[in-house]
Amino acid sequence: GIQVEQSPPDLILQEGANSTLRCNFSDSVNNLQWFHQNPWGQLINLFYIPSGTKQNGRLSATTVATERYSLLYISSSQTTDSGVYFCAVREGYQKVTFGIGTKLQVIP
Amino acid sequence: NAGVTQTPKFQVLKTGQSMTLQCAQDMNHNSMYWYRQDPGMGLRLIYYSASEGTTDKGEVPNGYNVSRLNKREFSLRLESAAPSQTSVYFCASGANEQFFGPGTRLTVL
Repeated sequence: GIQVEQSPPDLILQEGANSTLRCNFSDSVNNLQWFHQNPWGQLINLFYIPSGTKQNGRLSATTVATERYSLLYISSSQTTDSGVYFCAVREGYQKVTFGIGTKLQVIP
Repeated sequence: NAGVTQTPKFQVLKTGQSMTLQCAQDMNHNSMYWYRQDPGMGLRLIYYSASEGTTDKGEVPNGYNVSRLNKREFSLRLESAAPSQTSVYFCASGANEQFFGPGTRLTVL
């Protein structure tokens, strides 16, 4: 099956700093999502982005499907951005594969 | 519009006991999913249902059964719980973009 690799595995930022999270996948995918799992365990949809670039406030994402990667940008980070960021890709009609995530800690 | 709801939120079982995790969605999605999340890992697909009346195995189906009761509801059953099934269970719905429920934290002693 498809392999999904996320980097870095861990990241510590000072509040106000910017960061880039990366998701590489090993084969063609039908779509890609980014999620934020907050410290309470809730999974929050950030982006549905099979290709192209999207922005939502301080967050933006870019997927280059032909080169099999996606990037999540976090600007002016806040302590509420802390948690784990997951990339998930869909191959075929139903099968969804998650990466193991990037754990982000934003310190004041 | 509640999105995806799951019950219960927490559960403790003894080895060998059975239980059913309930999931419901009000977004009129055909597709629904059950995942488990273990420490330090991403989510792994247990079972999915592409439409009412159909179910298929995911990556880790052993020890579980599912029922797609109707378009709204998709349940996950553990017939004889084992300690290896201690995990957080998430239900999701949606074909292209998936939406997740709040999760059920299950401990099997």
